[in-house]
Amino acid sequence: GAGVSQTPSNKVTEKGKYVELRCDPISGHTALYWYRQSLGQGPEFLIYFQGTGAADDSGLPNDRFFAVRPEGSVSTLKIQRTERGDSAVYLCASSLGTWPDTQYFGPGTRLTVL
Amino acid sequence: AQSVAQPEDQVNVAEGNPLTVKCTYSVSGNPYLFWYVQYPNRGLQFLLKYITGDNLVKGSYGFEAEFNKSQTSFHLKKPSALVSDSALYFCAVRDNVNTDKLIFGTGTRLQVFP
Repeated sequence: GAGVSQTPSNKVTEKGKYVELRCDPISGHTALYWYRQSLGQGPEFLIYFQGTGAADDSGLPNDRFFAVRPEGSVSTLKIQRTERGDSAVYLCASSLGTWPDTQYFGPGTRLTVL
Repeated sequence: AQSVAQPEDQVNVAEGNPLTVKCTYSVSGNPYLFWYVQYPNRGLQFLLKYITGDNLVKGSYGFEAEFNKSQTSFHLKKPSALVSDSALYFCAVRDNVNTDKLIFGTGTRLQVFP
């Protein structure tokens, strides 16, 4: 079946611009996660949705970052006033939402802020 | 603080030889441990997980991992390495405090030489 998909695969933007990154989870998965992977590092948690609500947003670095999942399926990660330090690969994962489940990751969006 | 350590940045092994990629962890409560593999320009692929039960966990592509509670380790192993196993491997632990998010190590690059 179809896995987690993310668009765009690459995004180049200029400092100060606004970007949106999209994640399409596996059908039927109620839990959705966003992680950020900087060069040479492991993924770091950003935010977790259970259904439509953000159950844990403790990983968002500051208020420039925001994510939504209005219908409990597709999620959008929004970054305002981008900074060069935001450059990273943004990974999305989904799971069934009932422990002990497994998180399945998408291919990621590589964001480059010039 | 809960954490995962992968002490080796890179592991080199000849094709056909056994391989081990090391991982140690620190968690509150019971450890729930995962291994993922990342190929170039692709997302993380799930290999295996330890939840409870048998300390030797078998996973995809012939990989297995041994859970050792006394040594707080979860090393990834394969009896006979393939060149196609060359990739970046991440160990992760479930955050038992803020549930469901994964805490990743920094990754180990496995290079299998023909």
